[in-house]
Amino acid sequence: SAVISQKPSRDICQRGTSLTIQCQVDSQVTMMFWYRQQPGQSLTLIATANQGSEATYESGFVIDKFPISRPNLTFSTLTVSNMSPEDSSIYLCSVEERGYTFGSGTRLTVV
Amino acid sequence: AQSVTQPDIHITVSEGASLELRCNYSYGATPYLFWYVQSPGQGLQLLLKYFSGDTLVQGIKGFEAEFKRSQSSFNLRKPSVHWSDAAEYFCAVGASNDYKLSFGAGTTVTVRA
Repeated sequence: SAVISQKPSRDICQRGTSLTIQCQVDSQVTMMFWYRQQPGQSLTLIATANQGSEATYESGFVIDKFPISRPNLTFSTLTVSNMSPEDSSIYLCSVEERGYTFGSGTRLTVV
Repeated sequence: AQSVTQPDIHITVSEGASLELRCNYSYGATPYLFWYVQSPGQGLQLLLKYFSGDTLVQGIKGFEAEFKRSQSSFNLRKPSVHWSDAAEYFCAVGASNDYKLSFGAGTTVTVRA
């Protein structure tokens, strides 16, 4: 199965700033997914990213807040913009390849 | 749209005892079913998956799960739990015509000596 490298693994950020999370896959994949896991909660899909097209966002998530790039078939970034403490979560990227594989996650704390 | 229910929020089990985690799904057709484990501070690791075929699925770390269509269930089992199995377990459902995964709320497993 695919191996995903996600970074940073954790960060503490000031409110009002932005953080870009990177996700690198060791093979070419059509779709990449970004999830949010709020403290003590399950995973919620933020958006689906296809190479060469705009990401598709789930209800409750907007591009201005969570812009996503997908420049090629092995890489994607998620930016959390204008952060507030409510954005403190674990953010995970995922790919579908005979089962969904997840990155190790980015633990974000906004102060 | 598909959905998942994990009825047990927290389970405590003694080391060496058996473990069963419940998962019920809602989906009109044959679902794709997954179990993931998340250790504290870690990402998600796939334990096993069901797409089709044999309804008893073997996974990593000695886990297995059984798909029961009549009960809309995909319960996870392990015959003998080790202290390292203490973690959060998530059941997830997908569909053949939809790449989105829906996750259950998770079950926290505590292993006592």
